[in-house]
Amino acid sequence: DAGVIQSPRHEVTEMGQEVTLRCKPISGHNSLFWYRQTMMRGLELLIYFNNNVPIDDSGMPEDRFSAKMPNASFSTLKIQPSEPRDSAVYFCASSTGGGHSPLHFGNGTRLTVT
Amino acid sequence: AQKITQTQPGMFVQEKEAVTLDCTYDTSDQSYGLFWYKQPSSGEMIFLIYQGSYDEQNATEGRYSLNFQKARKSANLVISASQLGDSAMYFCATSGGGADGLTFGKGTHLIIQP
Repeated sequence: DAGVIQSPRHEVTEMGQEVTLRCKPISGHNSLFWYRQTMMRGLELLIYFNNNVPIDDSGMPEDRFSAKMPNASFSTLKIQPSEPRDSAVYFCASSTGGGHSPLHFGNGTRLTVT
Repeated sequence: AQKITQTQPGMFVQEKEAVTLDCTYDTSDQSYGLFWYKQPSSGEMIFLIYQGSYDEQNATEGRYSLNFQKARKSANLVISASQLGDSAMYFCATSGGGADGLTFGKGTHLIIQP
């Protein structure tokens, strides 16, 4: 059983450029989450989807961030334009939903914005 | 809103000793879940153990057990017979608030010494 797949593993870009992070959740999982991890702020929930519908995007830091889930097997997180303070590890996770199901995380994308 | 407090930023433990990692939580929900994750230096987030708020028995998974004290809002992770491979960051998390996402603590950096 394949886990959550994220790409790319590493992304280095210059300030002002558009960045797109990709995620394929575990088949059969109907909840998908995007988290950001930094030393200062720890793990923060950015947005999550249930059955491909965005439910809570209150954690998205600014309008520069957007996320989509066009189908059950694919999601993207886009940052446009990127800034150095966006440098972090971005995790995608999926679960079967409900507050009692563990989240299964991808390996993360380490983003560096110079 | 949910809140997780992990008061031990770092711990050094001798190999083969038992380890207790502290976690306290704050929630107004009646139904919630408590989770522990391990993050080794390679960066992935590994789910370890889950405890439901209505579970009367403490959860166990191999060498991991969760010491759940509901009245104290405490959910400590106990690792028996520690091994060098247990060296990692450990995160406590909780669900609830009507949302599917998890709220994470800041983590404890555990180092197992030979």
